[in-house]
Amino acid sequence: RKEVEQDPGPFNVPEGATVAFNCTYSNSASQSFFWYRQDCRKEPKLLMSVYSSGNEDGRFTAQLNRASQYISLLIRDSKLSDSATYLCAVNKLNYQLIWGAGTKLIIKP
Amino acid sequence: NAGVTQTPKFQVLKTGQSMTLQCAQDMNHNSMYWYRQDPGMGLRLIYYSASEGTTDKGEVPNGYNVSRLNKREFSLRLESAAPSQTSVYFCASSEELAVPTGYFGPGTRLLVL
Repeated sequence: RKEVEQDPGPFNVPEGATVAFNCTYSNSASQSFFWYRQDCRKEPKLLMSVYSSGNEDGRFTAQLNRASQYISLLIRDSKLSDSATYLCAVNKLNYQLIWGAGTKLIIKP
Repeated sequence: NAGVTQTPKFQVLKTGQSMTLQCAQDMNHNSMYWYRQDPGMGLRLIYYSASEGTTDKGEVPNGYNVSRLNKREFSLRLESAAPSQTSVYFCASSEELAVPTGYFGPGTRLLVL
């Protein structure tokens, strides 16, 4: 089993809809969790950190479920510009990031 | 500020050739990283440098070497390229090792024939 797993998608979603996807991790000792966004043929960019209490930034909400060992990202009122691949990353005890392969999101007009 | 810069952007090598990927950051960050990204797989850490003067192996170091030339620059060398090293290589930096990196370079696309 991979240390960090994501549904590769693609998720095809109409503009204005709400979409959510999850990322599961296998190491229960993992300390920190992050969502990144990667546009086609570009570098990843940090979208948001995921805190135990959840984290909201505008239309984006990230949550952590330690009991079931997954993090989630919810995007409300989706825009065409939200089309991208969303990567999750989990920080190991030695501070190295372990990455999921990404979930591709396509917002349709 | 340029952020994190990488050269070259594209490279084609023949099996057995060597090359060095260059990376520089102008944010005065202590920690720097080299990742590779392959289709269907997450980013994998090749080497990292927690601070100037130190380097450590990541998840997939075989076939690579690194040099932290100074605080700004962190290079990745392929001594004898193999087709399995065909990938997109990203350099990244962060203030400290414990701080997640939000700053990646634009990537180097490498094809080894």
